[in-house]
Amino acid sequence: GENVEQHPSTLSVQEGDSAVIKCTYSDSASNYFPWYKQELGKGPQLIIDIRSNVGEKKDQRIAVTLNKTAKHFSLHITETQPEDSAVYFCAARSRGGADGLTFGKGTHLIIQP
Amino acid sequence: DAGITQSPRHKVTETGTPVTLRCHQTENHRYMYWYRQDPGHGLRLIHYSYGVKDTDKGEVSDGYSVSRSKTEDFLLTLESATSSQTSVYFCAISVGHRQETQYFGPGTRLLVL
Repeated sequence: GENVEQHPSTLSVQEGDSAVIKCTYSDSASNYFPWYKQELGKGPQLIIDIRSNVGEKKDQRIAVTLNKTAKHFSLHITETQPEDSAVYFCAARSRGGADGLTFGKGTHLIIQP
Repeated sequence: DAGITQSPRHKVTETGTPVTLRCHQTENHRYMYWYRQDPGHGLRLIHYSYGVKDTDKGEVSDGYSVSRSKTEDFLLTLESATSSQTSVYFCAISVGHRQETQYFGPGTRLLVL
């Protein structure tokens, strides 16, 4: 089955700086890669996703890049703000059909004022 | 939370007792999922459903059963709860023509003593 590795487990950045979280996946058949943000006591919230036929996608301060050859994808957050502090999860879907996502173990992003 | 509610939101139970968690959605989504979230493990798929009475196992299905007798409700049952099933349980639905994009409910925090 699919295996998703996520790094770092904790990331502390100064407010206004950029943050980058990286994930690798094992199954070359994976074709969909979402990112979720989870605040304390809440469910994961989808913030951006990318499909395997696209190399990069942006939404305001957030961007995701995908390198299919190397089997890794990254989340980039620019101009970080205090409300960006949360746990971020990457995920991958390895087969056609809606049979669930495989998640990384999460990154705790801390924005220092 | 994409029209998803979970009940109860918190539960404390004793080892060996049966427990049923309910996921309810109001938007007639075909696919529904149960995940558990544990520190250091991210989210892991327990079971999923692709229609009324149509279910399949996920990565960590041992000790769990599910039922879906109506489109709007997906039940997760722990027949005889164990301490290793102490976790936060999330329900999700998928949307889109590929059924890729998943949205999560608010979660149920379960403590098995």
